[in-house]
Amino acid sequence: AQKITQTQPGMFVQEKEAVTLDCTYDTSDPSYGLFWYKQPSSGEMIFLIYQGSYDQQNATEGRYSLNFQKARKSANLVISASQLGDSAMYFCAMREGRLDTGNQFYFGTGTSLTVIP
Amino acid sequence: GAVVSQHPSRVICKSGTSVKIECRSLDFQATTMFWYRQFPKQSLMLMATSNEGSKATYEQGVEKDKFLINHASLTLSTLTVTSAHPEDSSFYICSAPQGAAYGYTFGSGTRLTVV
Repeated sequence: AQKITQTQPGMFVQEKEAVTLDCTYDTSDPSYGLFWYKQPSSGEMIFLIYQGSYDQQNATEGRYSLNFQKARKSANLVISASQLGDSAMYFCAMREGRLDTGNQFYFGTGTSLTVIP
Repeated sequence: GAVVSQHPSRVICKSGTSVKIECRSLDFQATTMFWYRQFPKQSLMLMATSNEGSKATYEQGVEKDKFLINHASLTLSTLTVTSAHPEDSSFYICSAPQGAAYGYTFGSGTRLTVV
């Protein structure tokens, strides 16, 4: 079974509108972390937001928020007030175990977001 | 914040030659380094995990003799693509866990083209 599933290969959003990128995960480990990364055409992986499995509140970082629904095993990324510079690939990732274990990431297949002027 | 410096960013090499890619942690000690490969418009696929002072752990299907990984110090891990072929052309990127906070820092990636 896939550890991380992103079902939206491509998404379009109007500039200044909000967009939700879907991510579901699969793990039996009670301790895990969920990450979202942005990858522009240059290839670098830009960290956006992190949610720990024990965190009570949804994570927020500026225009990024993570809609964490533990029972449904979903960790959707919400980008508010989209900007042209948000056009990129977005990857959801999970690390099982505690943050300091140094365990590997599992990546989803990514969502290509295009912001339309 | 923590930085992993990856070089070169782009390399073109002839078939049959070897290419070395370096990832260096600049302000923290990286006892572990993950090496990923990414084909165009696809996800990152973990190739191997290197640990300082011990042999790397390769994922299933990754040729150990072709992709040589060395983690000689707490700040340097290298991936050498030996006897490169055009099908090895890809984007290679490294990542190191930092421990605390948000945990993982990525290098900027290397775009390898084998002609």
